[in-house]
Amino acid sequence: EVQLVESGGGLVQPGGSLRLSCAASGFIFSTYWMSWVRQAPGKGLEWVASIKQDGTKKYFVDSVKGRFTISRDNAKNSLYLELNSLRADDTAVYYCARYYYFHMDVWGKGTTVTVSS
Amino acid sequence: QSVLTQPPSVSGAPGQRVTISCTGSSSNIGAGYDVHWYQQLPGTAPKLLIYGNTNRPSGVPDRFSGSKSGTSASLAITGLQAEDEADYYCQSYDRSLSGSVFGGGTKLTVL
Repeated sequence: EVQLVESGGGLVQPGGSLRLSCAASGFIFSTYWMSWVRQAPGKGLEWVASIKQDGTKKYFVDSVKGRFTISRDNAKNSLYLELNSLRADDTAVYYCARYYYFHMDVWGKGTTVTVSS
Repeated sequence: QSVLTQPPSVSGAPGQRVTISCTGSSSNIGAGYDVHWYQQLPGTAPKLLIYGNTNRPSGVPDRFSGSKSGTSASLAITGLQAEDEADYYCQSYDRSLSGSVFGGGTKLTVL
């Protein structure tokens, strides 16, 4: 079964950092682009970042550029999102998604990040 | 303000047909990039509903269909059922932003 499981969310103070992880199984992880998508409470979906199969290309939404980093470890079938300089408006459920021909065909259940003092 | 524009809400009675529009611009849908649709049931993660404008993943009923024309796309749901009550999002790629963009989402209410 194709599966994505996120972890690492939690409560963090403004200006703090967090590292999210996504464990992939049931498919050949190293052959797919991967993405992070977030959803603020009561709001819509927002694409956050994407990374190529070998990690050589990375793209970010403007609002997180310079603060968030996306990476992957194909040997561990894992995707990561490092969140730095966190702000209240980064509060959201963060979803890991498999990115295939410009769409997200498999989604995890999400992990919640709350930025608050 | 989302790059792709959707109506905030639509509604219909069981058995009826509803459509949800998604309007973009010349840097995304109008540039030839495909439109994809997602269904998000209450309290759950999004699920791919339509990809490549018109294609249904395995397991998605043929009551759901997609179309695209110019800078817009539409999702149609026929034979509306109570379990279709959910939020629906369109998504495409924007070459100016070098990334994916979503519509603001449409809440479907089954009356």
